[in-house]
Order: sequence, then structure tokens, then C-alpha cells
Amino acid sequence: DGGITQSPKYLFRKEGQNVTLSCEQNLNHDAMYWYRQDPGQGLRLIYYSQIVNDFQKGDIAEGYSVSREKKESFPLTVTSAQKNPTAFYLCASRTATNEKLFFGSGTQLSVL
Amino acid sequence: AQSVTQLGSHVSVSEGALVLLRCNYSSSVPPYLFWYVQYPNQGLQLLLKYTTGATLVKGINGFEAEFKKSETSFHLTKPSAHMSDAAEYFCAVTDYSGAGSYQLTFGKGTKLSVIP
Repeated sequence: DGGITQSPKYLFRKEGQNVTLSCEQNLNHDAMYWYRQDPGQGLRLIYYSQIVNDFQKGDIAEGYSVSREKKESFPLTVTSAQKNPTAFYLCASRTATNEKLFFGSGTQLSVL
Repeated sequence: AQSVTQLGSHVSVSEGALVLLRCNYSSSVPPYLFWYVQYPNQGLQLLLKYTTGATLVKGINGFEAEFKKSETSFHLTKPSAHMSDAAEYFCAVTDYSGAGSYQLTFGKGTKLSVIP
């Protein structure tokens, strides 16, 4: 079945550690997105990519980094510079011509 | 710039009662509007969307929404609530440029509880 796979489902980060969240899609979608969800805050855009080897900052990019070396993959690294990383992270994708977003099932990141 | 306001972070209804979740938006260009639903510990699923054309939009699971330009609203309704409707609902807006480049702005969400 086609879809978006996020892994791991739960992730713990130690102080000063970088961690990477995986997002893979087999939908042949061009654009991919990372959102951060905090309770009562809705979804906030971290980074997005419309094409391979290109990405743009969203509203809350500080303390995060991404890469888009392959069309199907858009990993998110939460760096030690992100002082409040505990949140639910959602990856999404869409085709270039359709506004509908498809979402992965999310990764819950917590700080040890 | 665009923004979305969802009135009420929590809404409770009795099973079988009308569901009304409110969404108001601001956008400098004709908007595309969306409602997404999220079940616990899962991603979001599209319920319905308005792009152009008919202002009353029907979605999955018996939900519908009406785009009212004069009120800048896109409220979500369902005539009769079911226990399985309990979830968090997000309204979103985009100023889709038509060039393939756009960003969705989400509201803060409304958690719907259904009382048996």
C-alpha cells in the first residue's frame, strides 16, 4: 500500500544530543513537509521541500535541519540547539498539482 | 498573511446531537479551505476541502462545511454525532498561488467529545 512512513513512533533525546526522525513516502509525491504539534497549539511548519535537493524554512525552523537527497525521503534532525524539542512531529506530502496533504502517523519525541 | 481561528478548544455533544465546529479565517487572496481530523496518536486525515465552485462541501463520515465569504467562515457540521466522531479537528487555509507553491496554515484544533 502506498503511504507515508514515519519512524520511530517514539523517540527519546538526551541533553545535547542530535536525533533524526525518518520520513519515507512511496506515493511519488513531489512536496514534503515537517510539522510540529504541541497540545492546544495546532500544527506549525518547520521545513518543507518542493523538489529534490531543495528545501525552505517554515515558521519555526530554528534548531532543526533537513535534507532531501531522494524524492521519497525527507529526514528531520532535531539538534541540540532546539531547547524545547518535546512534541509530536508529523511528516506530510502532496503532489505538485493537488493541494491535499497526506500525513504520516507521527513521531513523539521526548527529552530524557 | 493568512490565519485561522477555531472557536472552542473543546466541544462536547451528546450522541445523536448536531455537531458544529467553528472556523474563521483571514486571507488576502481567495482561500482554499480544509478540515482535517486526527485520532489519538495518529496523523491527520482530510475530511473535506473547498477550492472553488459550490460553497457547501460534503466530506467523509457525514460531515459537511459551508464557505461563507462574507463571514470569512468555514464551519464544520454533522447532523447526528456518533461515538466514533470523537477526535481532534483542525481547520486549515492556504493561499494557493496556482504555481504549485503554497503553505497550509492550521488552526489550533478543536477536540470533540461525544457523550453516550
